[in-house]
Amino acid sequence: SQTIHQWPATLVQPVGSPLSLECTVEGTSNPNLYWYRQAAGRGLQLLFYSVGIGQISSEVPQNLSASRPQDRQFILSSKKLLLSDSGFYLCARHGAVTGELFFGEGSRLTVL
Amino acid sequence: GQSLEQPSEVTAVEGAIVQINCTYQTSGFYGLSWYQQHDGGAPTFLSYNALDGLEETGRFSSFLSRSDSYGYLLLQELQMKDSASYFCAFEDTGRRALTFGSGTRLQVQP
Repeated sequence: SQTIHQWPATLVQPVGSPLSLECTVEGTSNPNLYWYRQAAGRGLQLLFYSVGIGQISSEVPQNLSASRPQDRQFILSSKKLLLSDSGFYLCARHGAVTGELFFGEGSRLTVL
Repeated sequence: GQSLEQPSEVTAVEGAIVQINCTYQTSGFYGLSWYQQHDGGAPTFLSYNALDGLEETGRFSSFLSRSDSYGYLLLQELQMKDSASYFCAFEDTGRRALTFGSGTRLQVQP
């Protein structure tokens, strides 16, 4: 089966601390991968997407970065978190059908 | 620019039919998708319309009119478990990623 793992599931971090969220995908090769962020009660904002190893497209200029060191691994990072970075971070991969995304279970980040 | 608009909230009773509308604006467009998200969970894919017309999947149907830049999700025989947020989204021809609307929160009442 094709599965997306995200960790950690929940974290609370102080302002100014670093961040690393990891996403791994099983059961497929060379997937398109995505990081979305969702603020409480809001829609999904695309942060980054990747069509292959080392290929990252950034949608929103901010203090976040993404890397894809392996075909099935996608990492979201920050050197110094801001309060506005709080949210629900979702990793996704493209499905077989155009317009279809499969999401991981998400990582809920609270910055204090 | 690219945008999608949908109502923020809809309330309906169990067993009824509800329609969630979505209007969009984009310069290039493959099709319209719909996703369901329960509180605290991740979105799950419901349907995709590439062509004009109605697509039916069980109790859920989705409609697209490219000429009107409009689509809707139709939920029939509403159940309490349908209470969730519903998002429309499109993948435009400029990039390989989905743009999502702000979501419609559906509350099903007994």
